Order: sequence, then C-alpha cells, then structure tokens
Amino acid sequence: NAGVTQTPKFQVLKTGQSMTLQCAQDMNHEYMSWYRQDPGMGLRLIHYSVGAGITDQGEVPNGYNVSRSTTEDFPLRLLSAAPSQTSVYFCASKRSMNTEAFFGQGTRLTVV
Amino acid sequence: DAKTTQPTSMDCAEGRAANLPCNHSTISGNEYVYWYRQIHSQGPQYIIHGLKNNETNEMASLIITEDRKSSTLILPHATLRDTAVYYCIVRVSFGNEKLTFGTGTRLTIIP
Repeated sequence: NAGVTQTPKFQVLKTGQSMTLQCAQDMNHEYMSWYRQDPGMGLRLIHYSVGAGITDQGEVPNGYNVSRSTTEDFPLRLLSAAPSQTSVYFCASKRSMNTEAFFGQGTRLTVV
Repeated sequence: DAKTTQPTSMDCAEGRAANLPCNHSTISGNEYVYWYRQIHSQGPQYIIHGLKNNETNEMASLIITEDRKSSTLILPHATLRDTAVYYCIVRVSFGNEKLTFGTGTRLTIIP
C-alpha cells in the first residue's frame, strides 16, 4: 500500500517556467489537498478537492491551478513560476470529512 | 477554526513520558482537537484527535480539560524517533477542509 505518492521529490525551475507537481493516492480517498510549507512556518492550504470533478481554493491559491479528473490523482500546476513559490509542497488525502489526513513525503521546489 | 498556543520547544529524556501542552481557549463546541507531528523533512503524520473525552491509541494519549480550553498530548515512553515538531490543531468536523497548522512544538528526545 503506497499511500500518498508525490513526484518529483526535488525540482529547480527558472522564473516564468511552468510545471506540474503530481500527487496520487491508492486508498480510494475522496478528499485531497495541497499545502505549502515555508521555512519556520506551518503548512498553508493552497487548493483542495472533496471528490472527482470538484475543487476549491484554500488560503493561498494565487499562482496555482488544480484539477481532479479521477479519484486517485490531484495534480498541482504552477502557471508561471516565481521565486516566492520556492517552498516544500505537501499533498494530503483523507477518506472523508471527519477522518485523519495522510500526507505525502513532499516536493521541494526552488525557483531561481 | 480556533487559535492554538503551544510552547516553541521542549526536551524529554528517552524512556520518559513526554507531555505536550496546547491552549485553545476560544474553542467552540463543535471543534475537535487534532494532533499531528512532522519528523524532519517528512510529511506530517496524524497522531490522535478528540472532542471532549480523553482518547488513547497505539501512539499516544490525548487529555482534554473539562472546559475544553486546553489539552495535553502524552507520548508514554518517548524514543529518539519521537523527535519532531508536534502540531495541535482545532477544527470543526464538517464544512471546513483546512487544517490550520501553527508553528508547533519542537520536541527533542534526549538519550
């Protein structure tokens, strides 16, 4: 049972480039979300999804897009990378509203 | 979601019980208390949660005061692998997806 898998683990982008961070879960969870974590800070919610075809904005959505075409996958797209998006990104999933979240191992992104 | 207050850091001797406090004086009646931890460079890991009764699982115990304004996470026999940042979070059980992570308590287990 792989749980929540994020790829890549590390990425360096140039300012203005676009890329997609992948997140997949094999637990048939309805809820998935993306967080970012900056040095010395807690996690902040970027976008989330409560099921296939449904997404919503979190606390810091600007500069990011998401889609949820399947239950398993929840990719995060950076449209035009900026240095302010240098961060560690975590994807999480959970079975339903009132259950614990399972997190991936993170993607460390550097924008130069 | 209610705001939480935790000490910035704590030390605990290996093999002893680690008691991590959390204040949540503005908690409302439908908000749960959740605890997660984050070991260096890894994703957060769920530990335990509760509403008003004390809870215990294979990882830890959660003690919530009667007025629900504070709680304590107890790791009964701390090991070096328990060194991590511990986050106390309060949130409603429905209608809100966000887990509001503060800066947490950095727990260091001393050999």
